[in-house]
Amino acid sequence: EPEVTQTPSHQVTQMGQEVILRCVPISNHLYFYWYRQILGQKVEFLVSFYNNEISEKSEIFDDQFSVERPDGSNFTLKIRSTKLEDSAMYFCASSEGGDRGLNTEAFFGQGTRLTVV
Amino acid sequence: AQSVTQLDSHVSVSEGTPVLLRCNYSSSYSPSLFWYVQHPNKGLQLLLKYTSAATLVKGINGFEAEFKKSETSFHLTKPSAHMSDAAEYFCVVSHLHTGFQKLVFGTGTRLLVSP
Repeated sequence: EPEVTQTPSHQVTQMGQEVILRCVPISNHLYFYWYRQILGQKVEFLVSFYNNEISEKSEIFDDQFSVERPDGSNFTLKIRSTKLEDSAMYFCASSEGGDRGLNTEAFFGQGTRLTVV
Repeated sequence: AQSVTQLDSHVSVSEGTPVLLRCNYSSSYSPSLFWYVQHPNKGLQLLLKYTSAATLVKGINGFEAEFKKSETSFHLTKPSAHMSDAAEYFCVVSHLHTGFQKLVFGTGTRLLVSP
């Protein structure tokens, strides 16, 4: 069964460093997402991406964050200068499309646990 | 604004007994509602979804949920728990008219199943 894969599973980084989280969405999917879950809190929407551009982003997704689909298969989330409060589980997801991606299942990866020290 | 409230942070059941995980939603528009499950070290897996069709929705692994507009609820049930059902369950709402399926998650309910 096709699945979304994320690497690495765990990442430890020093405060102020740049970090890139990588995701390989399901191959025929057109819509891509990042969500995060701070320990003990809700899973929160960060950004959605379609046709090589951001389609929607939350207030969390500030100038420190960026997303890219560099080679047609990977989908990356970059945090330019990490802060302690960026420590969280980051989930990548993708969906097939159809009616602008509405009502089609979002398939999630297993997550990358980012720890900023 | 949309939100979901999962009324129980933990639910404990014995194997073979019914499961009830409660969820109430708030939405200004017609919502799409989902239940996702997360097993340890696994991604979020869709259990079932409601998107304005039948109000009783059947999902994988014997789970089902009923959309009740009058009660703004979407509780998840299963007649008989199995040990493998132990996991974290998330109730999720998505606005039908929101582009690109922006999902709003509840805080999660951890289901514990004892032998």
